[in-house]
Amino acid sequence: NAGVTQTPKFQVLKTGQSMTLQCAQDMNHEYMSWYRQDPGMGLRLIHYSVGAGITDQGEVPNGYNVSRSTTEDFPLRLLSAAPSQTSVYFCASRRVNEQYFGPGTRLTVT
Amino acid sequence: QQQVKQSPQSLIVQKGGISIINCAYENTAFDYFPWYQQFPGKGPALLIAIRPDVSEKKEGRFTISFNKSAKQFSLHIMDSQPGDSATYFCAASIGETGNQFYFGTGTSLTVIP
Repeated sequence: NAGVTQTPKFQVLKTGQSMTLQCAQDMNHEYMSWYRQDPGMGLRLIHYSVGAGITDQGEVPNGYNVSRSTTEDFPLRLLSAAPSQTSVYFCASRRVNEQYFGPGTRLTVT
Repeated sequence: QQQVKQSPQSLIVQKGGISIINCAYENTAFDYFPWYQQFPGKGPALLIAIRPDVSEKKEGRFTISFNKSAKQFSLHIMDSQPGDSATYFCAASIGETGNQFYFGTGTSLTVIP
């Protein structure tokens, strides 16, 4: 099992550009989520999904969109990147209570 | 508004010593409290978790102490080793299958050989 995979590992965007962060899991977990990690802020939930076709907002959803067309994939879209979205993004999937995190994507918006 | 407050921000401990990280919460609906360990360049990984019906849970050198009345919980790492050097996050959720996990701000632990 690859677990939770994320691509790309690093990305630099200019303000106003859009992009999609990819996340995939091969553990057949229903629950998936996206977090951002900022220094001194811990991890904050952006969006989550409890199954294919079902998504909901977390603490900090503004500027991000998600969709869940399959159990395996949960992409995160930045519609118009802003410097405030410079962060490390983690995708996670969960079986009951144990969350499995991906390796993260470091995004810089200039 | 931080739902879970964590301290200290950083901690330096001698090898063999005890590392203690503290967390506090306000929402009494929280009933699942996990701790995560994160190494540089990696995603967090579940270390140990507790529910408020017990006051302590131990797994190897790692122990969670829980004080429901004070709304506080802490992680104790006994016989700390250089390999324990990492960032530790506490978290809280409503139920083990709660949809939203709230994380503390993290503690960077350095264990000096």
